[in-house]
Amino acid sequence: GENVEQHPSTLSVQEGDSAVIKCTYSDSASNYFPWYKQELGKRPQLIIDIRSNVGEKKDQRIAVTLNKTAKHFSLHITETQPEDSAVYFCAASSAVDSSYKLIFGSGTRLLVRP
Amino acid sequence: DTAVSQTPKYLVTQMGNDKSIKCEQNLGHDTMYWYKQDSKKFLKIMFSYNNKELIINETVPNRFSPKSPDKAHLNLHINSLELGDSAVYFCASSQGQGMTDTQYFGPGTRLTVL
Repeated sequence: GENVEQHPSTLSVQEGDSAVIKCTYSDSASNYFPWYKQELGKRPQLIIDIRSNVGEKKDQRIAVTLNKTAKHFSLHITETQPEDSAVYFCAASSAVDSSYKLIFGSGTRLLVRP
Repeated sequence: DTAVSQTPKYLVTQMGNDKSIKCEQNLGHDTMYWYKQDSKKFLKIMFSYNNKELIINETVPNRFSPKSPDKAHLNLHINSLELGDSAVYFCASSQGQGMTDTQYFGPGTRLTVL
């Protein structure tokens, strides 16, 4: 079935450094790729998304790149801050009859050291 | 003004019991979902409803029965609870069931089966 692999599972960076999280997906028909941030004990919240007709999207310190040929996409966080510490999930859309579902990666626990 | 709300926030119960979790959204969305997040943080869709109609059922045991009395509510009833049902259950909603419709998550219900 459809699958999304996410790496690394944990990532520790110094404040101010950049962080990169990578995902690969199996469903070649996937066309939508959101990223969610989940702080400890809280709900997942959308931070950025990208559609397949775009190769890169940026929003302040976060950016996402997509390579449809290779079926992988990445999240880039620059100038990391302690409040960026959280679990980050990538996801890919997958068609189910006339609807869609999100297949989530296994998450990356990001720790930003002050 | 909470967009997606769930009750209860915590649920501790004995094996074999039956319990329900309630979800409500005030965003005017047509589509609602239930997700299960296990102890390893893996987030997996269980069900989705669109305008009170079941759209996605992801091979969940039939002990789990979702019910949507109207499009603003999606409740989850679980019969004969098992130890493996312990997890955090998230409700979510989106404008529609389209590929790029952003999903907004509720705060989660932490279910512990003893």
